[in-house]
Amino acid sequence: SQKIEQNSEALNIQEGKTATLTCNYTNYSPAYLQWYRQDPGRGPVFLLLIRENEKEKRKERLKVTFDTTLKQSLFHITASQPADSATYLCALFTGNQFYFGTGTSLTVIP
Amino acid sequence: EAQVTQNPRYLITVTGKKLTVTCSQNMNHEYMSWYRQDPGLGLRQIYYSMNVEVTDKGDVPEGYKVSRKEKRNFPLILESPSPNQTSLYFCASKPGLRFYEQYFGPGTRLTVT
Repeated sequence: SQKIEQNSEALNIQEGKTATLTCNYTNYSPAYLQWYRQDPGRGPVFLLLIRENEKEKRKERLKVTFDTTLKQSLFHITASQPADSATYLCALFTGNQFYFGTGTSLTVIP
Repeated sequence: EAQVTQNPRYLITVTGKKLTVTCSQNMNHEYMSWYRQDPGLGLRQIYYSMNVEVTDKGDVPEGYKVSRKEKRNFPLILESPSPNQTSLYFCASKPGLRFYEQYFGPGTRLTVT
């Protein structure tokens, strides 16, 4: 089955810096890859999607890249703010099923 | 308000006592799904449904049943719960296979003693 790894369980950065989160996957070429934000005790909230034939997507301070050769997606938050502190999940969709990574807990320090 | 609702939000039960967690969405979505979330293992898909009367196994279906008799509802049934099913459960929906954004419910925290 699919295996999805997010580079670290926790990431601390200073306010104003760019946070970069990594998602690596194996075994399958996904139709698309998504990033979600999850706050403690809440359900995940969709942020961005990137298709297999796309290299990069942007939404406000968020940017996602997708390298199907490396089987890797990078998720960037520029000009980070304390309000960005949360757990970020990557998920890939194979055409009918979803597979999620274990998440990276981001803390933005004021 | 467009949303996915789950009930109950918290449940403590004993081994072997059948239970049902309800999930309902008011967005006319075709695709619905159940996940469990455990520390260190992340979100894992239990079952999904691409439309009414169409359900398929996800990654971890053992010990669970689902049904999709109506488009808006997708209940999760544990016929004989065991302690290893203690977890945080999420229901989610999205418009269809061609559409991308999943909407998650608030979660159900289940403890089986």
